[in-house]
Amino acid sequence: EADIYQTPRYLVIGTGKKITLECSQTMGHDKMYWYQQDPGMELHLIHYSYGVNSTEKGDLSSESTVSRIRTEHFPLTLESARPSHTSQYLCASRAGDYTQYFGPGTRLTVL
Amino acid sequence: SQQGEEDPQALSIQEGENATMNCSYKTSINNLQWYRQNSGRGLVHLILIRSNEREKHSGRLRVTLDTSKKSSSLLITASRAADTASYFCATSDNDMRFGAGTRLTVKP
Repeated sequence: EADIYQTPRYLVIGTGKKITLECSQTMGHDKMYWYQQDPGMELHLIHYSYGVNSTEKGDLSSESTVSRIRTEHFPLTLESARPSHTSQYLCASRAGDYTQYFGPGTRLTVL
Repeated sequence: SQQGEEDPQALSIQEGENATMNCSYKTSINNLQWYRQNSGRGLVHLILIRSNEREKHSGRLRVTLDTSKKSSSLLITASRAADTASYFCATSDNDMRFGAGTRLTVKP
């Protein structure tokens, strides 16, 4: 089991709410990633970070933001959730040998 | 982007048969990795093959890499129902990207 955690695992919220999806890892990895994945579909890279104070946007246009104040913590925030944000969000960190470790995911439903 | 693209999109076989999945990519790479995803879960790393390797084994998994064709294949031998999952390849870069995966169904 990888030491990377995501909370909450499931979240159902109303439109317009602000939410933060938490991701933390205890492996000391510098590189971390957020992916968005609809059921049975490909993973879309939405944000990544090379280390503390580094954040980059991925391929998928996303209305979310991320921060990287500590190595182990990489939260993703949606300022105003919409039904189009309904999806699964996967967090990952990368080891020096390029292996990525994924968290269990957060399944978000916006009503 | 260095995104791997898996083929076929879906594969259904009987338990005991071998399953072969393919991956193509566009640019030169340092290494290529295969991951597995059970429904609704995160991805789990299976195997990494470096650009100077042509074949690698891990248990029932065999991965090949052809850098001249920019392609890789994952072979699962003697498949089991528990192998039912989606399988993804990814090429290593500063920002890892994944394709849509191959959805493998192994019927008991």
